[in-house]
Amino acid sequence: QLQLQESGPGLVKPSETLSLTCTVSGGSISSSSYYWGWIRQPPGKGLEWIGSIYYSGSTYYNPSLKSRVTISVDTSKNQFSLKLSSVTAADTAVYYCARLSASSYYDFWSGYYQYYYYYMDVWGKGTTVTVSS
Amino acid sequence: QSALTQPRSVSGSPGQSVTISCTGTSSDVGGYNYVSWYQQHPGKAPKLMIYDVSKRPSGVPDRFSGSKSGNTASLTISGLQAEDEADYYCCSYAGSSYVVFGGGTKLTVL
Repeated sequence: QLQLQESGPGLVKPSETLSLTCTVSGGSISSSSYYWGWIRQPPGKGLEWIGSIYYSGSTYYNPSLKSRVTISVDTSKNQFSLKLSSVTAADTAVYYCARLSASSYYDFWSGYYQYYYYYMDVWGKGTTVTVSS
Repeated sequence: QSALTQPRSVSGSPGQSVTISCTGTSSDVGGYNYVSWYQQHPGKAPKLMIYDVSKRPSGVPDRFSGSKSGNTASLTISGLQAEDEADYYCCSYAGSSYVVFGGGTKLTVL
């Protein structure tokens, strides 16, 4: 059974860099069938997609966070990581890692299947990060 | 890339049906049949309830159903049960491998 576990400091000072790691167990992060993503939820607010990464290192970031976000993958450790720079109190949130699965359709023009990695079918339990001096 | 619009709250009595709407644009909800819904109980991680507008993952009761018309997707929960009380979030593919969530809806079972 696939499990994801977030880890990292629970307290980060303003202007510093938030660093979290997601460890994948019960399955391989190198599967070609999935992307891996980070999602956050400020206290009392909704979910926000931060970004996604493929095992090859291909990444996609939320445009509103793109200038401050780096997501990386370490296939040897079955982990992927999040770095968010120049944090402020607004970055205080529960941070979740998740597996993104794909839907597909056959593109007759190209003759290839197109894959859309967008729904999160396995989630970590989340880790709370507070930005405060 | 703006958040999808959901009602802040909905409510219903046990056994009734409720529908939660999720309105986006032609760049997300309206442009793709790739909408998912998540249930989140307090202090817990979200749980996938619907994907591809209307498909249910294994283990999700058939009381949960999804649909879409134009730029608006909907989640309908029939035969409401007390354990359905939770927050619900829609999510859509938004092109270029981007994903966008709705603001969330609190479901109260009266």
